[in-house]
Amino acid sequence: EDQVTQSPEALRLQEGESSSLNCSYTVSGLRGLFWYRQDPGKGPEFLFTLYSAGEEKEKERLKATLTKKESFLHITAPKPEDSATYLCAAGYNFNKFYFGSGTKLNVKP
Amino acid sequence: AAGVIQSPRHLIKEKRETATLKCYPIPRHDTVYWYQQGPGQDPQFLISFYEKMQSDKGSIPDRFSAQQFSDYHSELNMSSLELGDSALYFCASSGQGYTEAFFGQGTRLTVV
Repeated sequence: EDQVTQSPEALRLQEGESSSLNCSYTVSGLRGLFWYRQDPGKGPEFLFTLYSAGEEKEKERLKATLTKKESFLHITAPKPEDSATYLCAAGYNFNKFYFGSGTKLNVKP
Repeated sequence: AAGVIQSPRHLIKEKRETATLKCYPIPRHDTVYWYQQGPGQDPQFLISFYEKMQSDKGSIPDRFSAQQFSDYHSELNMSSLELGDSALYFCASSGQGYTEAFFGQGTRLTVV
């Protein structure tokens, strides 16, 4: 069974304190690695798709990178409104995604 | 911009009743995915459709069925509901090339 593992489970940061979230995945057959943000009781909000090792994408204070074994979501100078659960999902075909358990980020002012 | 629309947003049913959840994908998206998310859990894949045909199946109970219609909207039918079926049910859609997959806001099903 394909596996997606995220770490840490929870992360508390001070406003402005940069950090990274990790997502490791089973390597073989990866078609796409997706990052989502989820607020409580809401649907996952699409952030990025990465396809190949070395690829990077940025959006505001977020930057996602992909290596052959893992993906990182870097958060630069976070603000309290960045507090959410960040999910990564790996797609091994075009029919479904496997989600990690998420990292719950709390940014304190 | 158009997003994935799910209805209803909230649904309360009694045990052994039937529920139907609807999903309207982003225009021109041909693939629909259904996920179930229990409290504090990550989304679990149920089933997906591509061009109105079932393309993959996950941990979907036999009591559940789904289909995608000619206008690409999808419905998830859930029968003989159990307390454990209480969860958020998300639908996602993607278009050709698998470049992005967008989720709806979900339907919160409560079985009492």
